[in-house]
Amino acid sequence: EVQLVQSGAEVKKPGESLKISCEGSGYIFTSFWIAWVRQMPGRGLEWMGIIYPDDSDVRYSPSFQGQVTMSADKSINTAYLQWSSLKASDTAMYYCARQRGLEMATVDYWGQGTLVTVSS
Amino acid sequence: DIQMTQSPSSLSASVGDRVTITCRASQSISNYLSWYQQKPGIAPKLLIYAASSLQSGVPSRFSGSGSGTDFTLTISSLQPEDFATFYCQQSYSIPLTFGGGTKVEIK
Repeated sequence: EVQLVQSGAEVKKPGESLKISCEGSGYIFTSFWIAWVRQMPGRGLEWMGIIYPDDSDVRYSPSFQGQVTMSADKSINTAYLQWSSLKASDTAMYYCARQRGLEMATVDYWGQGTLVTVSS
Repeated sequence: DIQMTQSPSSLSASVGDRVTITCRASQSISNYLSWYQQKPGIAPKLLIYAASSLQSGVPSRFSGSGSGTDFTLTISSLQPEDFATFYCQQSYSIPLTFGGGTKVEIK
């Protein structure tokens, strides 16, 4: 069974750093891309970017370029999303999801989400 | 970026109703269109991919159609567990983009 298990909820202050994780199981982790999707409170879904765990090739959405960093450790089947200096506007639910290819490819399995709250 | 426009943004329907949601892309995306269902506090669930292919385990009352720029999600007979928000998404080119969502509520 394909599973993506994300790290737990985080409460941070503005300016702090954060790294959240997404561990895949039940499939060959290095053969699929991992996408990150943001959902701000009461809002829709935004695709942030994608990483290929086998070689850590990363493509960011222009809206998120420079705002976050995506990485992966294929030895432990885990992808990461990190911020160096959080802002209140980063408060959101963040989902990782498996994407079957870079383009012309479906996003099929999703993690349970990590809620990030940034507040002073 | 390819813009995805969903309509309506919300609708009220009764159990047993036939429900149709539409999604329009700002340029042709062939059939690279998926539909997701999301319930409050839960991750989205893939219903339909490649515009009309039913994801494994999804009830057959869900169906999708369309190609190019215009797409439709149909629920043939709405069930109590179907009340949720539905999103379309294009996967033709990155950045992938979602429609704004359609909230299906109980009448």
